[in-house]
Amino acid sequence: DAGVIQSPRHEVTEMGQEVTLRCKPISGHDYLFWYRQTMMRGLELLIYFNNNVPIDDSGMPEDRFSAKMPNASFSTLKIQPSEPRDSAVYFCASSSTSTGGTEAFFGQGTRLTVV
Amino acid sequence: AQKITQTQPGMFVQEKEAVTLDCTYDTSDPSYGLFWYKQPSSGEMIFLIYQGSYDQQNATEGRYSLNFQKARKSANLVISASQLGDSAMYFCAMRERVGGKSTFGDGTTLTVKP
Repeated sequence: DAGVIQSPRHEVTEMGQEVTLRCKPISGHDYLFWYRQTMMRGLELLIYFNNNVPIDDSGMPEDRFSAKMPNASFSTLKIQPSEPRDSAVYFCASSSTSTGGTEAFFGQGTRLTVV
Repeated sequence: AQKITQTQPGMFVQEKEAVTLDCTYDTSDPSYGLFWYKQPSSGEMIFLIYQGSYDQQNATEGRYSLNFQKARKSANLVISASQLGDSAMYFCAMRERVGGKSTFGDGTTLTVKP
């Protein structure tokens, strides 16, 4: 398996623009997580899904952020409108209940810069 | 609420020596999992080792071992025979239940000296 795949790897956008980050989890994994990493706040869990259903979105900073998982192999994190304080590295991760959830595999991350 | 504390912002170790990275946690959940991840300068998050709250023995994975002291709520990572490639940021994390919400510590930057 190719692992968790995120796209794009880097994104530079202007304030006010819509940004969509994409994630393909490992095939067969039933949990998907979106994290944000900044120097100030460290690694924060934004939202996670189980079997494509959002379970906990309490980490989503505000209404400008939304996440979807239309099927087991694809998820998106959207920011609309984007602001400079959204600049961060966004990670997607997936794990499997069948293995006891003993590992969560991370994607390479998307480095977002909002200017 | 879950909380993970890594008290060492930075650590230095001589190549080939062992090093312990500290991690303490707080939770009221009787079932939880503890993880360590490595983040090199390239930015990816690499899973290292896992310990379940009901596991009787300390987890080991190659040169990595987890010193799990449940009563003290600590889950220290021990890296034996340090290598230059071990220089990275190390994160301790705790997950409630299987597949549930995870909380990460602030990380420890490890530098291995030649």
